[in-house]
Amino acid sequence: QSALTQPRSVSGSPGQSVTISCTGTSSDVGGYNYVSWYQQHPGKAPKLMIYDVSKRPSGVPDRFSGSKSGNTASLTISGLQAEDEADYYCCSYAGSYTPVVFGGGTKLTVL
Amino acid sequence: QVQLVQSGAEVKKPGSSVKVSCKASGGTFSSYAISWVRQAPGQGLEWMGGIIPIFGTANYAQKFQGRVTITTDESTSTAYMELSSLRSEDTAVYYCARDCYDILTGCFDYWGQGTLVTVSS
Repeated sequence: QSALTQPRSVSGSPGQSVTISCTGTSSDVGGYNYVSWYQQHPGKAPKLMIYDVSKRPSGVPDRFSGSKSGNTASLTISGLQAEDEADYYCCSYAGSYTPVVFGGGTKLTVL
Repeated sequence: QVQLVQSGAEVKKPGSSVKVSCKASGGTFSSYAISWVRQAPGQGLEWMGGIIPIFGTANYAQKFQGRVTITTDESTSTAYMELSSLRSEDTAVYYCARDCYDILTGCFDYWGQGTLVTVSS
């Protein structure tokens, strides 16, 4: 069982928006502003899409946005495109004992 | 441009150990934390542990405590992950990843290409 809870799958049509949730506790997601999101295509290494809850690395389209409320972080992808179809993972800092925890991953299908 | 280049695929017997390397180039190696993340076939990402090269002290996920050792060699800008007492469930792709910061935060801006470790008798 993963430390952070994500829906197993979400889907949307091209042009639509989807939101993926990531629920943790006050010891991880809720306690720090170190939440990251990764996109992973089959056979590829993960790619950083969002860090520090809502910051986008250079080169990541502004269609990707992140937010947090309490113990739940969210990744929203607007204007869905076919190439957005991938697995998405959230990740959070969780304190000095076990600093890093991942979510179980969400498969995004673009219909 | 920062690059992390990992060692090649390994096939190991149950009960043995494996040591995977991750050589960094294009950046200041000691200024950023390095983590190891694994992904079993068809499964999600799992953080194993990480190290801050400038301090040399590693932090491990509880699940791997006592079985994993993460080290760095600053002279060659290389990080290593050694996993012992291998079992079939350790069959996975192992990634090294550089943290965005000089502490372990889970913000990984650069990743290695992955190393497939297969544990089979």
